[in-house]
Amino acid sequence: EAEVAQSPRYKITEKSQAVAFWCDPISGHATLYWYRQILGQGPELLVQFQDESVVDDSQLPKDRFSAERLKGVDSTLKIQPAELGDSAMYLCASSPRGPAQISPLHFGNGTRLTVT
Amino acid sequence: GQQLNQSPQSMFIQEGEDVSMNCTSSSIFNTWLWYKQDPGEGPVLLIALYKAGELTSNGRLTAQFGITRKDSFLNISASIPSDVGIYFCAGPGTGGTSYGKLTFGQGTILTVHP
Repeated sequence: EAEVAQSPRYKITEKSQAVAFWCDPISGHATLYWYRQILGQGPELLVQFQDESVVDDSQLPKDRFSAERLKGVDSTLKIQPAELGDSAMYLCASSPRGPAQISPLHFGNGTRLTVT
Repeated sequence: GQQLNQSPQSMFIQEGEDVSMNCTSSSIFNTWLWYKQDPGEGPVLLIALYKAGELTSNGRLTAQFGITRKDSFLNISASIPSDVGIYFCAGPGTGGTSYGKLTFGQGTILTVHP
């Protein structure tokens, strides 16, 4: 079964440094999501793309976080500068075109970020 | 925003026992999703429910979409050690700025003792 690919699996960075995560969705999936999951909690949406366009970034801390999906395929999430509170699992998910009501999300295995 | 409350928060059971967990919301959902997350991995979709009252099975798992559309239940029969993990309910928003936005519960942690 096709998978959502994410890299790196683990990242340790110092406070105030820049960090970037990469995601390659399932081929043909038009919708791509970035979620943040703090330990002991459920995932929370950061940003949603439909093709190359941002559909929802209302929960993205735009002073330090940025996301792009330039060609409507793979995507990069960046944090600059990283803060201690950014330590979490960053999950990428994709789905075929359409809202989550009819196109359930498929998740990657995430990037575990630790900020020291 | 919409919130989903899962219970129980954690369960410790013996292999072979049946498990029940539920998810409630103050808002109506048109779709309920159940995901399982193994340690260090992303959530994997177990069951999707699209109609109030719907009862759907996937092997030893059975989930139901509550009649009020504000709750859902997941049952696991004859649990085995590989059932260990965190089970999340999720639902896409139905209106306004939350339309299509998937909200997750806080999860139920399941531990199965051999």
